[in-house]
Amino acid sequence: AQTVTQSQPEMSVQEAETVTLSCTYDTSESDYYLFWYKQPPSRQMILVIRQEAYKQQNATENRFSVNFQKAAKSFSLKISDSQLGDAAMYFCAYQDYGQNFVFGPGTRLSVLP
Amino acid sequence: EPEVTQTPSHQVTQMGQEVILRCVPISNHLYFYWYRQILGQKVEFLVSFYNNEISEKSEIFDDQFSVERPDGSNFTLKIRSTKLEDSAMYFCASSGDRDSPLHFGNGTRLTVT
Repeated sequence: AQTVTQSQPEMSVQEAETVTLSCTYDTSESDYYLFWYKQPPSRQMILVIRQEAYKQQNATENRFSVNFQKAAKSFSLKISDSQLGDAAMYFCAYQDYGQNFVFGPGTRLSVLP
Repeated sequence: EPEVTQTPSHQVTQMGQEVILRCVPISNHLYFYWYRQILGQKVEFLVSFYNNEISEKSEIFDDQFSVERPDGSNFTLKIRSTKLEDSAMYFCASSGDRDSPLHFGNGTRLTVT
């Protein structure tokens, strides 16, 4: 079965600095999607970034970028120029074409002024 | 480690039928949630539930949907008169308090034919 691991339950970063959130996963599939979701206190799920496994180029979305290492099954999220509004829970997630969808346990990010 | 359990893992139903998706949250958790993910699209918040009543719901959660905690352990999502567009993964989640990380179940894949 597919699994997603986030080894950092909590992280903190100084405002305007850069932080990297780790995610590793396990799958025997060759084609799949990886996601980072942000969950603010409202409990909504906000899609931050999405990566298709067949694409070698790392996805990027404004201040958010990923380091996708397919062979290592690693999918880290880098947040540059951190802002107070970035404080939230961040979930890494995996989905394959068989519709298996798995969330990681989450990392709580605090942004310090 | 305690986990959130969802049954069934896959449900196939005909359009117009009613379905009940079941979830057993972690036993000492008090806050319960339902999310859904249509294949290839983002995860969407449906509803949150606390103290035997809905605390928040999204626009998606219309009169077709209802949630219930019929006993001390189960948390159900009922979808009346299912439509083709209800086909999705449905995730249950629970947390011990309002600010604690969510624990997600493995999801129920609903297919409406």
